Amino acid sequence: RKEVEQDPGPFNVPEGATVAFNCTYSNSASQSFFWYRQDCRKEPKLLMSVYSSGNEDGRFTAQLNRASQYISLLIRDSKLSDSATYLCVVNVRDFNKFYFGSGTKLNVKP
Amino acid sequence: NAGVTQTPKFRILKIGQSMTLQCTQDMNHNYMYWYRQDPGMGLKLIYYSVGAGITDKGEVPNGYNVSRSTTEDFPLRLELAAPSQTSVYFCASSFQVANNEQFFGPGTRLTVL
Repeated sequence: RKEVEQDPGPFNVPEGATVAFNCTYSNSASQSFFWYRQDCRKEPKLLMSVYSSGNEDGRFTAQLNRASQYISLLIRDSKLSDSATYLCVVNVRDFNKFYFGSGTKLNVKP
Repeated sequence: NAGVTQTPKFRILKIGQSMTLQCTQDMNHNYMYWYRQDPGMGLKLIYYSVGAGITDKGEVPNGYNVSRSTTEDFPLRLELAAPSQTSVYFCASSFQVANNEQFFGPGTRLTVL
């Protein structure tokens, strides 16, 4: 079973739409959660960390549900520039490494 | 700060050749990682290091070797290149693991023919 699973998409949405991605993780000892963004042929970059109480950064909102072992990312008022692949990343307590999902591709169209 | 730098950016190897992918970070991070990313796929961990002199295998270590003689450098060695090693290789570093961001280099695109 994969440590982190994501719907690969693609999610094709018009500009201005609201879109949400989910990511599930398998290890209940997971302690740190992140969303990274990866543009085509570029390195991943941190979009936002995900905190237990949920957190917001402008148009982006991240939520953590420990009971069901998933995290979510909500993007409001989608922009063309939001088109990218969004990677869910998890760190498990006592393990010195990060586990990456395979990514969800978002296409925002005019 | 330059962050994480990787060289070369691109390389074509013949089957059986060897090469070293260089990775350097100037953020004084203890943790460094090597990942590979195949087309349309997620990142797979090859090797990682928690500090100078300490390395450990990740998910896909076969065909690769690493060393960590300094905090700054974490080279990845490919011995006897095979077509299955055609991929994009990313080096990353972080200060800690828990609640800490990973910073990535720009990647090395390797083709083995």
